[in-house]
Amino acid sequence: GAGVSQSPSNKVTEKGKDVELRCDPISGHTALYWYRQSLGQGLEFLIYFQGNSAPDKSGLPSDRFSAERTGGSVSTLTIQRTQQEDSAVYLCASSLGGLGTEAFFGQGTRLTVV
Amino acid sequence: GQQVMQIPQYQHVQEGEDFTTYCNSSTTLSNIQWYKQRPGGHPVFLIQLVKSGEVKKQKRLTFQFGEAKKNSSLHITATQTTDVGTYFCAGNNNDMRFGAGTRLTVKP
Repeated sequence: GAGVSQSPSNKVTEKGKDVELRCDPISGHTALYWYRQSLGQGLEFLIYFQGNSAPDKSGLPSDRFSAERTGGSVSTLTIQRTQQEDSAVYLCASSLGGLGTEAFFGQGTRLTVV
Repeated sequence: GQQVMQIPQYQHVQEGEDFTTYCNSSTTLSNIQWYKQRPGGHPVFLIQLVKSGEVKKQKRLTFQFGEAKKNSSLHITATQTTDVGTYFCAGNNNDMRFGAGTRLTVKP
């Protein structure tokens, strides 16, 4: 596709279950970002991948959160043992040249933990 | 770590009035970007500022980057209902950190 694709668009899960969120960046984009946005709030930085460099994980809120990016393309954000406070929209973005280049956002995955 | 503060959190204006949102970083930035998020949508890139003291204009929007590259502002002249949304700044250094955003509502 032409844009950043995220799946699923909506996810309802029970507290304590693990979830995986997927992001397909724009082809050729070397940088990939994950953010979390709670209702009416700003974008909380989670993790940043740039090419083959070690990812910047400084934004991950706890060790229940992890992310990987396979082959420099698709990324998966995994949340283990979900809690109700994890409920939010998870946004993925990619950019062609990393920091300092325009980031294109996906439509997000709305996660609800019940 | 790097923090980006943005004010005000909300701004309600009458159509035709001006609007300004301000960003301040705790550290010197390599560059700063501005994004707009319409209600129910995702952030969309508006512009990037790189140079100290840089000023850029897009029609009724004026963007400034401070001399110390730690603050920035977005000014909209004569707001229209189409300007409604949340405006975010994003500071770039080792990663891209967003401000909390300013939610603009415009009364016709």
